[in-house]
Amino acid sequence: DAGVIQSPRHEVTEMGQEVTLRCKPISGHDYLFWYRQTMMRGLELLIYFNNNVPIDDSGMPEDRFSAKMPNASFSTLKIQPSEPRDSAVYFCASSFTAWRGVQTPTDTQYFGPGTRLTVL
Amino acid sequence: AQSVSQHNHHVILSEAASLELGCNYSYGGTVNLFWYVQYPGQHLQLLLKYFSGDPLVKGIKGFEAEFIKSKFSFNLRKPSVQWSDTAEYFCAVKSLNTGFQKLVFGTGTRLLVSP
Repeated sequence: DAGVIQSPRHEVTEMGQEVTLRCKPISGHDYLFWYRQTMMRGLELLIYFNNNVPIDDSGMPEDRFSAKMPNASFSTLKIQPSEPRDSAVYFCASSFTAWRGVQTPTDTQYFGPGTRLTVL
Repeated sequence: AQSVSQHNHHVILSEAASLELGCNYSYGGTVNLFWYVQYPGQHLQLLLKYFSGDPLVKGIKGFEAEFIKSKFSFNLRKPSVQWSDTAEYFCAVKSLNTGFQKLVFGTGTRLLVSP
């Protein structure tokens, strides 16, 4: 398995520009998570999806951030307009629901390599 | 609000020294606990996890962690570290009472092992 795939790996943009980060979860995984990692705040959950539906977006910092999951194999995180304080590493992760008598989320999340975003 | 504290932000050890990284969480309900590791230039990987049963959990690469419910702690240990253990270590907690799949991470501990 290729694991979680993210693109681009590095993005440098100027303040005010739109930035789109992409993620392909592991095939068969039904949960997808977007995280942001900074030195000051560590690793923060921004939003997560289950079966392509956003479940919890309480971590999305403001309206400039939006995330979509049009199908089970693709998700985007968009920042418009971008600001220097958005500079961070953005991780995507996925996990799956197993059958253990009842449908049970497995809880272990598999992370992608991250996108290092620099907003000048 | 649920939170996770990792009190050691930076740890420097010599090879063969013993390691213990602290992790405390604030949530009082039933939880699942995790340690993830991020090697330089790589993505986060699961090191070990505790769901239930024996509170002493063994993970990959000789790491182990002990869940002490009364202390709300899940400290990571390794008896003898190697240079290749240089990485950032994250403790994470998931509440089983909310129905959500949300993992809350600590701010991480950067471990540097000198050869």
